[in-house]
Amino acid sequence: DAKTTQPTSMDCAEGRAANLPCNHSTISGNEYVYWYRQIHSQGPQYIIHGLKNNETNEMASLIITEDRKSSTLILPHATLRDTAVYYCIVRVASMEYGNKLVFGAGTILRVKS
Amino acid sequence: NAGVTQTPKFQVLKTGQSMTLQCAQDMNHEYMSWYRQDPGMGLRLIHYSVGAGITDQGEVPNGYNVSRSTTEDFPLRLLSAAPSQTSVYFCASSYRADRVYGYTFGSGTRLTVV
Repeated sequence: DAKTTQPTSMDCAEGRAANLPCNHSTISGNEYVYWYRQIHSQGPQYIIHGLKNNETNEMASLIITEDRKSSTLILPHATLRDTAVYYCIVRVASMEYGNKLVFGAGTILRVKS
Repeated sequence: NAGVTQTPKFQVLKTGQSMTLQCAQDMNHEYMSWYRQDPGMGLRLIHYSVGAGITDQGEVPNGYNVSRSTTEDFPLRLLSAAPSQTSVYFCASSYRADRVYGYTFGSGTRLTVV
């Protein structure tokens, strides 16, 4: 699975858009980009995933560059409840490894009032 | 639709005791898995299952057993608890063992072995 690089932490004002970047320069053509988050003391929460096209759901938007070497997760109107660690994961399903998720250090997003 | 339900939420065990962590999902997910999360080590896969009657080991299976007799349930058994098994345990499920689908996680079981 491709390695990802994320900033250690970011701050965002409540009500503003939070833009979380992720670099994955070694991504392969069949690898998807997934985003999860983990709010303190809770289980990780799936947010969104994509292959090459931009994706949007009720939680967020995912923008993937044309060369697929980087992506940005956008929370359009951040609230205090969005304060969490955000993980960018790039992966190919491989039952040899149990289809496991590999979480890196992630980005600590602090939404401030 | 409750999602993934884990019980208990908290547990304290003495060294050598055994116990079962319960995980149930009501989404008809084929794939279920157990992870442990320790500070500075991220999530590590313990065991997983791609369907009823099928289980396999993850990266840290020693000291744990699993079974999958139904699609809904995937219990994790600690055979003889050790302080090194103090951790937060998460159960996760997915519609299929496929990269396209996101995982749904339970809220976790915080286990302390003394």
